[in-house]
Amino acid sequence: EDQVTQSPEALRLQEGESSSLNCSYTVSGLRGLFWYRQDPGKGPEFLFTLYSAGEEKEKERLKATLTKKESFLHITAPKPEDSATYLCAVIGPSYGKLTFGQGTILTVHP
Amino acid sequence: GAVVSQHPSWVICKSGTSVKIECRSLDFQATTMFWYRQFPKQSLMLMATSNEGSKATYEQGVEKDKFLINHASLTLSTLTVTSAHPEDSSFYICSARDYGATYEQYFGPGTRLTVT
Repeated sequence: EDQVTQSPEALRLQEGESSSLNCSYTVSGLRGLFWYRQDPGKGPEFLFTLYSAGEEKEKERLKATLTKKESFLHITAPKPEDSATYLCAVIGPSYGKLTFGQGTILTVHP
Repeated sequence: GAVVSQHPSWVICKSGTSVKIECRSLDFQATTMFWYRQFPKQSLMLMATSNEGSKATYEQGVEKDKFLINHASLTLSTLTVTSAHPEDSSFYICSARDYGATYEQYFGPGTRLTVT
């Protein structure tokens, strides 16, 4: 059974204080790892897809990396508007069924 | 691109009535759509997978007769909560996978259902 564990559960940062979120996964035959951002009361917003170890993707202040066991979402010089819940999910051999982690609640204080 | 809409965004209904939620892919065709349920401060729980023109596949523990799913076209899937009860109150979110794309799922904004 596919498993995804995110840490920490919550992270509080000061504006400009860079940090990383972790996503550890167990899946037989990874077909893709996904990062989403979710604001309260809204659906998840797609951020990145990573397919193979060593792959990296960037978008504004966010950078996602992937190894064979985990993925990191690096946030550089965060702003208050980056506050949200960040969700990690994987797709294994089940073709399309996302397995989500519990998410990391990020709060960035001005 | 890859925009998914849901309607309504929130709904209040009385116990015993049925409620229909629509999920539309606005700028792409979606052969597969997914329905999730999310409880407060929890992650998303997959309820069912629907493919255009065929019956939905429900996850273990999800009542097929209570949560009716219809994927009538490449841009529309509906979830009907039948004989709703207060315990069905939740945040329902759909997602769609672009036909021909890899595995990315794009999510709708969600529907808040409150059953009184």
